[in-house]
Amino acid sequence: NAGVTQTPKFQVLKTGQSMTLQCAQDMNHEYMSWYRQDPGMGLRLIHYSVGAGITDQGEVPNGYNVSRSTTEDFPLRLLSAAPSQTSVYFCASSYDGGPNQPQHFGDGTRLSIL
Amino acid sequence: KNEVEQSPQNLTAQEGEFITINCSYSVGISALHWLQQHPGGGIVSLFMLSSGKKKHGRLIATINIQEKHSSLHITASHPRDSAVYICAVQGQFYFGTGTSLTVIP
Repeated sequence: NAGVTQTPKFQVLKTGQSMTLQCAQDMNHEYMSWYRQDPGMGLRLIHYSVGAGITDQGEVPNGYNVSRSTTEDFPLRLLSAAPSQTSVYFCASSYDGGPNQPQHFGDGTRLSIL
Repeated sequence: KNEVEQSPQNLTAQEGEFITINCSYSVGISALHWLQQHPGGGIVSLFMLSSGKKKHGRLIATINIQEKHSSLHITASHPRDSAVYICAVQGQFYFGTGTSLTVIP
């Protein structure tokens, strides 16, 4: 069982560059989400999706775009990287996003913006 | 303002000790989750609680909905329990900052 797969695991970018963090799940989950984790702060929700073709903003969406063309994939795009986006990014999925559903997390992407 | 507060932030224990990590929250919830994050980053779900108590091996989680408080207990702690433990509520839209636990042999 692959679960939630994130790529890449590590990435270094220069300010102004763009890139896409990939996330795929093989559990047929409707709900997928992206979080960032910064020192001294809890995980913060960037964007989420309740199904293919549907996305919405979370707590910290600025500077990020998402799309959900298939149930399996939920890529996160950084349009013009800034040092403030240096963080560890986690993708997660759950059956339907209900508060009683456990979330399955990817292993994270450690991103540094120089 | 943090919707979820955890204490302590850091905890060091001797192997075999009984450990308690606390979580208080300010929002109405239907479920609370305890997560474990090992060095290297992977996050796994330990418990999902809406009332009472749950036990899995040496781990016990309790919740008091009226007091908006949950505790995670580890009995007979072991070095492999060393990790960051995170409390999350409201469909996991709100997370605590985590408790970093180190268990010394």
